[in-house]
Amino acid sequence: NAGVMQNPRHLVRRRGQEARLRCSPMKGHSHVYWYRQLPEEGLKFMVYLQKENIIDESGMPKERFSAEFPKEGPSILRIQQVVRGDSAAYFCASSPLDRGLEQYFGPGTRLTVT
Amino acid sequence: AQSVTQLDSQVPVFEEAPVELRCNYSSSVSVYLFWYVQYPNQGLQLLLKYLSGSTLVKSINGFEAEFNKSQTSFHLRKPSVHISDTAEYFCAVISNTGNQFYFGTGTSLTVIP
Repeated sequence: NAGVMQNPRHLVRRRGQEARLRCSPMKGHSHVYWYRQLPEEGLKFMVYLQKENIIDESGMPKERFSAEFPKEGPSILRIQQVVRGDSAAYFCASSPLDRGLEQYFGPGTRLTVT
Repeated sequence: AQSVTQLDSQVPVFEEAPVELRCNYSSSVSVYLFWYVQYPNQGLQLLLKYLSGSTLVKSINGFEAEFNKSQTSFHLRKPSVHISDTAEYFCAVISNTGNQFYFGTGTSLTVIP
């Protein structure tokens, strides 16, 4: 059973471009969480999704950020018009449960905005 | 909401010496407590967790943590560290009704040969 997959592992974007981060949950998991880790900080919750539904987006910035988890395919975290402050590691976690006690983390995508 | 404080950002320790990584939390509701470890360029791996029952929990690689409700702490300890324990350690909490983890800022453990 493969773990949580994230791609790309490293992503470089220029200011103003779009960044698309992908997360494939573990087999059988239908709950996905996205976290952001800024330099020198811990992980901070961004959004919690189930298939085709956003359950909790209380940690998402109000502008430029969006997330989806379609019926088929990976979950996507999309950042439009990236700025230098978006440079961070973005981690995805998946869970088989409808509560977050059992979250399995992916290796992360390190986004660098130049 | 909950918050987690890891007081030590960096902890250097000699091989085979004991180590304690401190974690304190704040919450108005009951929480569950976790320690995650992150090796370089990897994702987080669950080290151990406290959900209920015995307040002392142990991992398979010799780490242990004790939940202290009165001091709102969940410190991580190991009596004798190895080089391979060098990593970033994160303490995290989640409420008994919530879905999101709240993480501390992490402690970088460096084991010196």
